[in-house]
Amino acid sequence: AQRVTQPEKLLSVFKGAPVELKCNYSYSGSPELFWYVQYSRQRLQLLLRHISRESIKGFTADLNKGETSFHLKKPFAQEEDSAMYYCALSKTQGGSEKLVFGKGMKLTVNP
Amino acid sequence: DADVTQTPRNRITKTGKRIMLECSQTKGHDRMYWYRQDPGLGLRLIYYSFDVKDINKGEISDGYSVSRQAQAKFSLSLESAIPNQTALYFCATSGIDYQETQYFGPGTRLLVL
Repeated sequence: AQRVTQPEKLLSVFKGAPVELKCNYSYSGSPELFWYVQYSRQRLQLLLRHISRESIKGFTADLNKGETSFHLKKPFAQEEDSAMYYCALSKTQGGSEKLVFGKGMKLTVNP
Repeated sequence: DADVTQTPRNRITKTGKRIMLECSQTKGHDRMYWYRQDPGLGLRLIYYSFDVKDINKGEISDGYSVSRQAQAKFSLSLESAIPNQTALYFCATSGIDYQETQYFGPGTRLLVL
């Protein structure tokens, strides 16, 4: 079964520290992976997706098919990065594409 | 993103009552989704619709029903609300390519007493 695992529920770091939000997936096909972010009292929004290979707000994520991982990284965390982060996988099932989300991880960046 | 709106934003109701949550979008997307968000459980898909004539169950559809009244409107109903349906509900839309971004509404916070 297709699954997205975010092994850590909480991560707390100080401003300027590196952060890595882990995401592992289980999928037999060729996955499309995404990171969505939800800032306090805001709606969920796309942060980045692996097909774009871009850096958004200093975050990057590399798809590692050998380790089935799509970890989100930022070298120097900022207080405004505090949010809930969700890893998601797009899968096909009988021709119907759906997103499967991980359970999310709360990042807190302290001053 | 004001292109996806949800009404109401907050609702308190009693067990057994019928509740309808509404979602509208001006993005011109064919695909619409309903999720619920619970602490520690992330987002779980309730129902989704790939066009006006298409309705599909998600992973937790029991106790819910939906109606796709038009391309721009997708409503979620709780026929007889129960307390464990207390959650934050999100509507989302996307284009037809599975690689495309999903755009979320602001959410509806529902409390069932």
